[in-house]
Amino acid sequence: DGGITQSPKYLFRKEGQNVTLSCEQNLNHDAMYWYRQDPGQGLRLIYYSQIVNDFQKGDIAEGYSVSREKKESFPLTVTSAQKNPTAFYLCASSIGSGYGPQFFGPGTRLTVL
Amino acid sequence: SQQGEEDPQALSIQEGENATMNCSYKTSINNLQWYRQNSGRGLVHLILIRSNEREKHSGRLRVTLDTSKKSSSLLITASRAADTASYFCATDGTTRKETSGSRLTFGEGTQLTVNP
Repeated sequence: DGGITQSPKYLFRKEGQNVTLSCEQNLNHDAMYWYRQDPGQGLRLIYYSQIVNDFQKGDIAEGYSVSREKKESFPLTVTSAQKNPTAFYLCASSIGSGYGPQFFGPGTRLTVL
Repeated sequence: SQQGEEDPQALSIQEGENATMNCSYKTSINNLQWYRQNSGRGLVHLILIRSNEREKHSGRLRVTLDTSKKSSSLLITASRAADTASYFCATDGTTRKETSGSRLTFGEGTQLTVNP
């Protein structure tokens, strides 16, 4: 089945630890995105990548890092520098320039203990 | 602030009624999109309307776009309990000087509850 997957679904982290959220797509999409969603809020863009080995900061990149070594994969690392990391993280992908629809994964809920 | 802002924040209706949600935005756009999110899930794309279009239909969904007022509305007709979800508008405009490229900016959503 074609689609976009995220793992794990739930993630618990102790303060001071880095964690990496996985995002994989087999839609052959060029562009991939990471969003953060807080309860009752909309989506805020963390990082996006339009092509392999290239990515740009979004609106709230501080405390996060990404890599895009393969077209299919766009992992997000939440570092200890992110002061309030508890949130719902959504990965998405889109064809080409991205003016079209974005396809979302099921999300990862990160909780800092 | 967010490019898109939905109104109302929450809407509760009975099954069979129509639901209307509105979205306002601040800058010029190429297109505007509507997405749906069930609780705890990812977003699902519903419909895209281009800046040179005024109205678009998809099944029970009707979207209008008024670029002069920088606003859009999503109408769901004959609503069902399964339509209960949050609905977001997203635009590809930006308040920044650089081009938006492949970025979308999402509003904060309208929480729709359809009661059986």
